[in-house]
Amino acid sequence: DTEVTQTPKHLVMGMTNKKSLKCEQHMGHRAMYWYKQKAKKPPELMFVYSYEKLSINESVPSRFSPECPNSSLLNLHLHALQPEDSALYLCASSQDELATEAFFGQGTRLTVV
Amino acid sequence: AQSVTQLDSQVPVFEEAPVELRCNYSSSVSVYLFWYVQYPNQGLQLLLKYLSGSTLVKGINGFEAEFNKSQTSFHLRKPSVHISDTAEYFCAVRALRGTASKLTFGTGTRLQVTL
Repeated sequence: DTEVTQTPKHLVMGMTNKKSLKCEQHMGHRAMYWYKQKAKKPPELMFVYSYEKLSINESVPSRFSPECPNSSLLNLHLHALQPEDSALYLCASSQDELATEAFFGQGTRLTVV
Repeated sequence: AQSVTQLDSQVPVFEEAPVELRCNYSSSVSVYLFWYVQYPNQGLQLLLKYLSGSTLVKGINGFEAEFNKSQTSFHLRKPSVHISDTAEYFCAVRALRGTASKLTFGTGTRLQVTL
């Protein structure tokens, strides 16, 4: 299994809603990441988890809350988002933080209304 | 710090024609280089990577790229494109001593293949 699986594929939420994005990998990778990608832009790193501990937070607003319950699973909890948070959210993983490459999931297309 | 320049935001090409997508980078340290492809509403898929060794790197779907250290370039080529190659292509670099997450991406090149 060489996949990073993200659910849901699409999500529409109101500004007062609470929702979660889920990311799963079964490659035994110990580093997992969240990226945000706006239309026609490259991905931007949000968070890095290494061995289930938050390693990097790229000054992301607190309305985004990551969680890594175990080595295979990464969640992104969303609360009180703004319309400008609408984007494609990509999860990625790698063997560890020093690995040469990361594997990306298919993304969750989030629309905030 | 690293930076990546993809000079062409869009490249239109006819099916079965050759194509080159340009990528130049700037870095004060040695880097790994990557090309990713992103189909509409999809995630990123690794096309190929340069880590060390031979400067000509072959990837999936018939793509190849050549690392040119003196020109700090890593251009992507394909001798004959298909309609299915229509996608966004991102060049990316990371420092050898950096982390997997610290990819610096270019702004992307939209390859549009038509009949």
